[in-house]
Amino acid sequence: GAVVSQHPSRVICKSGTSVKIECRSLDFQATTMFWYRQFPKQSLMLMATSNEGSKATYEQGVEKDKFLINHASLTLSTLTVTSAHPEDSSFYICSANPGTSGSTDTQYFGPGTRLTVL
Amino acid sequence: QKEVEQDPGPLSVPEGAIVSLNCTYSNSAFQYFMWYRQYSRKGPELLMYTYSSGNKEDGRFTAQVDKSSKYISLFIRDSQPSDSATYLCAITSGNTGKLIFGQGTTLQVKP
Repeated sequence: GAVVSQHPSRVICKSGTSVKIECRSLDFQATTMFWYRQFPKQSLMLMATSNEGSKATYEQGVEKDKFLINHASLTLSTLTVTSAHPEDSSFYICSANPGTSGSTDTQYFGPGTRLTVL
Repeated sequence: QKEVEQDPGPLSVPEGAIVSLNCTYSNSAFQYFMWYRQYSRKGPELLMYTYSSGNKEDGRFTAQVDKSSKYISLFIRDSQPSDSATYLCAITSGNTGKLIFGQGTTLQVKP
């Protein structure tokens, strides 16, 4: 079945540093990937839609200069949290859609990356 | 009003019980409905995917959609301790591929 991986699974960093999280679709090509953030005991909140070869589309309230997204290939999207602060500590999850943009194909989720900013 | 409402629970049942999980949504434009299972500190795993009113069954799981009432349900038969997890409903209009999630219901199945 469709497998999505994320790296790293856990990262601890100091305030002010930048952190890059990778999302890979292992056995399919994904023209569209999504990035979510999940706080403890809360649901997934969509941050942005990442489209291969074009700029990401950010949800309202998400700072695009703080959360940099690069979807350079059909199997890899990266999320960089720039100048991270303790309030950015969260569980970041990506998902990949095997279909074309706007398709109803199901999203497959990665295992998540737990970011802790000290 | 949230686009998707889901009772967060927690819900605790004995092993073997039938579990009913529910979500309501507000926008009739939503046409595709999914249920995901999420274990602690893991990514969500797709359980069921439906797009029409009615029932869809897969093993011990049955997804039910009532578009007229904007109400979706997931039933788990013969619940097992391994079913203990958070269950998230998700909906989409299908136009953008974007999913809107419910808050998630935490289920505990006691042996």
